[in-house]
Amino acid sequence: DAGVIQSPRHEVTEMGQEVTLRCKPISGHDYLFWYRQTMMRGLELLIYFNNNVPIDDSGMPEDRFSAKMPNASFSTLKIQPSEPRDSAVYFCASSQTRTGGNGYTFGSGTRLTVV
Amino acid sequence: AQKITQTQPGMFVQEKEAVTLDCTYDTSDQSYGLFWYKQPSSGEMIFLIYQGSYDEQNATEGRYSLNFQKARKSANLVISASQLGDSAMYFCAMRESDTGRRALTFGSGTRLQVQP
Repeated sequence: DAGVIQSPRHEVTEMGQEVTLRCKPISGHDYLFWYRQTMMRGLELLIYFNNNVPIDDSGMPEDRFSAKMPNASFSTLKIQPSEPRDSAVYFCASSQTRTGGNGYTFGSGTRLTVV
Repeated sequence: AQKITQTQPGMFVQEKEAVTLDCTYDTSDQSYGLFWYKQPSSGEMIFLIYQGSYDEQNATEGRYSLNFQKARKSANLVISASQLGDSAMYFCAMRESDTGRRALTFGSGTRLQVQP
C-alpha cells in the first residue's frame, strides 16, 4: 500500500496566483481530511469528506479556498487567489469508517510558500 | 475553551530515561478517542497510540504507553527508554464520536529533545 499520496511536495507561487494541491487517499478509505499546519495556528482542520461528500467545511478560511472530491481516489484543495498568509504545510489524511484507533493515515504534506 | 491542551512547549530528556508528555482534553461527549502522533523534523505525521474512552486498560504500543485518567480528562504519553530518534514534535489529538464526527482536533504540540 502506497499510503496517502500528496502532490506537489513543495510549491512556491506568487501572490494572486491559483494553487491546486492534490491528494490520493488509501484505497478503500471512505473519509478524507484536509489539514493546515502553521506555527501560529498549529494543525487545523479545513474540511473533510465522507464517500466523496463534504461533511464539514467550517474550517475553510474564506471563499478563496475550495475543495473537491470528484471520486473516491482523488481530492483537490484550491486557493484562488493565493496570499502570503496562506503559506503553510497542507496535509491530507484518510481513514475508514470501521477503524477505531490507528486508521488515520497522513500524507507527507505539501509545503506551500506564497511570495 | 481549548479542546486539547498540551502545556509543555518543549521538553528535554536524557537518553534511556522515561519521559511523560502531558495532554488534557475537554469534551462533553461520552464516546471519544484520544490519539498521539509524532512529527519528526522531516515533517510526516506518524501515529503512535490510541485510547478509546470506554477502554478500561491503558493503551500500550512498544515503548509508548498512554496514561489515561478519565476523571481528570488527561491522556499523557509515556515514552520509556528514550532514544535519540525520539526527538520530534508530539501531538495529542481527540475525536469526539457522539455525533458521528470523524475529524481529529489537535493540541499545540510538545517538542521533545533527547540528549545523549
